[in-house]
Amino acid sequence: SQQGEEDPQALSIQEGENATMNCSYKTSINNLQWYRQNSGRGLVHLILIRSNEREKHSGRLRVTLDTSKKSSSLLITASRAADTASYFCATAMYSGGGADGLTFGKGTHLIIQP
Amino acid sequence: DTAVSQTPKYLVTQMGNDKSIKCEQNLGHDTMYWYKQDSKKFLKIMFSYNNKELIINETVPNRFSPKSPDKAHLNLHINSLELGDSAVYFCASSQDRVGGGYNEQFFGPGTRLTVL
Repeated sequence: SQQGEEDPQALSIQEGENATMNCSYKTSINNLQWYRQNSGRGLVHLILIRSNEREKHSGRLRVTLDTSKKSSSLLITASRAADTASYFCATAMYSGGGADGLTFGKGTHLIIQP
Repeated sequence: DTAVSQTPKYLVTQMGNDKSIKCEQNLGHDTMYWYKQDSKKFLKIMFSYNNKELIINETVPNRFSPKSPDKAHLNLHINSLELGDSAVYFCASSQDRVGGGYNEQFFGPGTRLTVL
């Protein structure tokens, strides 16, 4: 079953503005990861936040994790045209009897208007 | 050098045929994966695999089978192709134990399969 749900499904902003995407999930997790997919390409890992972390930064990216609300947000500051892509959250669970790997949400399609 | 490569990039074939998609990783990772991305961009894991353990997503038809000649390769073989198999298939690898998801995964460029 689908684990992550991104919100919004699509987002269009002007270059230079900040973009915020949200992700909600349903079960307990080991970590949550964000990936970017440019049109017609494979996924690229952006950032991983573990269940005992609340916030993480990487360059212009800021990720937060709220395990009590089972939600995460990805903030891209000072957006650029090259940030236009689909962004996916993925959760990693561990079920004890066997590991479940990554479960992806449906993604947010981000368009940066020049 | 490409970390995770897949061939072919595009595959167009008739219903009922058998086809394979190849994947190679040069990252020295222990675990490899196959994902299916449908027309709505939803990604779903199909298999997690290393040389000792295979985890199959229970929703994957048994017409799909992973074949691994060695640690760096995980090919996807599909028998009796159906229209619904049309999708983009991604190979990925990570340093996890099989199916762990504890570390980042590195994805190949994808293979767009079209079944006519």
